[in-house]
Amino acid sequence: GAGVSQTPSNKVTEKGKYVELRCDPISGHTALYWYRQSLGQGPEFLIYFQGTGAADDSGLPNDRFFAVRPEGSVSTLKIQRTERGDSAVYLCASRRGTTGNTGELFFGEGSRLTVL
Amino acid sequence: GENVEQHPSTLSVQEGDSAVIKCTYSDSASNYFPWYKQELGKGPQLIIDIRSNVGEKKDQRIAVTLNKTAKHFSLHITETQPEDSAVYFCAASLSGTYKYIFGTGTRLKVLA
Repeated sequence: GAGVSQTPSNKVTEKGKYVELRCDPISGHTALYWYRQSLGQGPEFLIYFQGTGAADDSGLPNDRFFAVRPEGSVSTLKIQRTERGDSAVYLCASRRGTTGNTGELFFGEGSRLTVL
Repeated sequence: GENVEQHPSTLSVQEGDSAVIKCTYSDSASNYFPWYKQELGKGPQLIIDIRSNVGEKKDQRIAVTLNKTAKHFSLHITETQPEDSAVYFCAASLSGTYKYIFGTGTRLKVLA
């Protein structure tokens, strides 16, 4: 079956521009996560959705970052006024959502964002 | 804030030898500890996990041990093979949330 799909796989933009990153989770997975991974580091939590609502957005670094999941499936991470420090791989993961706060995260291959 | 420390950052072993990676967590109420393997250009993939009511779990050449008192857990890979070469991440659930906190990763190289 299909895994988690992320687009684009690579995005190069200029400082100050707006960027959208898309995640298509595994069908039926109600839990969706966005993580950010800088070079040589572990994934850093950004936001968690259960269904359509952002249940925990405590990891978003500032108000330039926003994410939506309007129909409880596809999610979009939006970054305004990009800065060079936003350059990283943005990982999306989904989980069945019926296992409390445990259970396997299925990751996509990530969207590599480079801000020049 | 809560964190997970992971050691070593790099590890080289000869094919057939064992590899051990160790992690320490700070949230004493964490109850779930997964290990992920990440190959170049790919997303992390779960290889084994353990819950806090179990001290050890094994799956073929891979095992994980958990010491709740000391708040540390370890990944053991026996009879390593070249295809085990990758970056390995430990993680811990953060109590009262749905977050998993990841360690900084261990780059494992298995030398043929």
